[in-house]
Amino acid sequence: NAGVMQNPRHLVRRRGQEARLRCSPMKGHSHVYWYRQLPEEGLKFMVYLQKENIIDESGMPKERFSAEFPKEGPSILRIQQVVRGDSAAYFCASSPLQGETGELFFGEGSRLTVL
Amino acid sequence: DAKTTQPPSMDCAEGRAANLPCNHSTISGNEYVYWYRQIHSQGPQYIIHGLKNNETNEMASLIITEDRKSSTLILPHATLRDTAVYYCIVRVEAAGNKLTFGGGTRVLVKP
Repeated sequence: NAGVMQNPRHLVRRRGQEARLRCSPMKGHSHVYWYRQLPEEGLKFMVYLQKENIIDESGMPKERFSAEFPKEGPSILRIQQVVRGDSAAYFCASSPLQGETGELFFGEGSRLTVL
Repeated sequence: DAKTTQPPSMDCAEGRAANLPCNHSTISGNEYVYWYRQIHSQGPQYIIHGLKNNETNEMASLIITEDRKSSTLILPHATLRDTAVYYCIVRVEAAGNKLTFGGGTRVLVKP
């Protein structure tokens, strides 16, 4: 059973461009979470999604950031008009609908560098 | 979710037990204590969790005080690969419930 897959692992963008980060949850998992980790800082929750629904976006910046988890395909975190402050590691996690441990399984992250 | 307090850093000798404390004095009756760790630049990794009984798995042991206001994660025989940031989190165990990470404890295992 493959783990949570994130791609790209590394992404370089110039200021003003768009960044799209993809996350494929573990097989059978219907919950996806996105976290951001700025350099030398802790993990900050951004958004929690189920298939076709955003459940909790309390950690999402109000502008330029959006997330989706379509019926088919991976979850996408989209950052429009990137700025240098968006440079960070973005981690995706997934969990099953009914988990025995309530455990979240994390991917290896996507590292965004904005030039 | 209740907040936790952990020491910012600690050192441990390779081969010795590492005891990582966590205070969660405002924990609610239905909140579990979870431990995760993040090895440099990798995604966080689940270690163990518990409600009130002590728990043990292949990675670690979790000791929760009787009043549940604090807990200790024990790595029985620390190795250099255990060098990581360890996060103690309390949360209600429910499908879809997010994890809220604090500052964690930066553990350095020394040879």
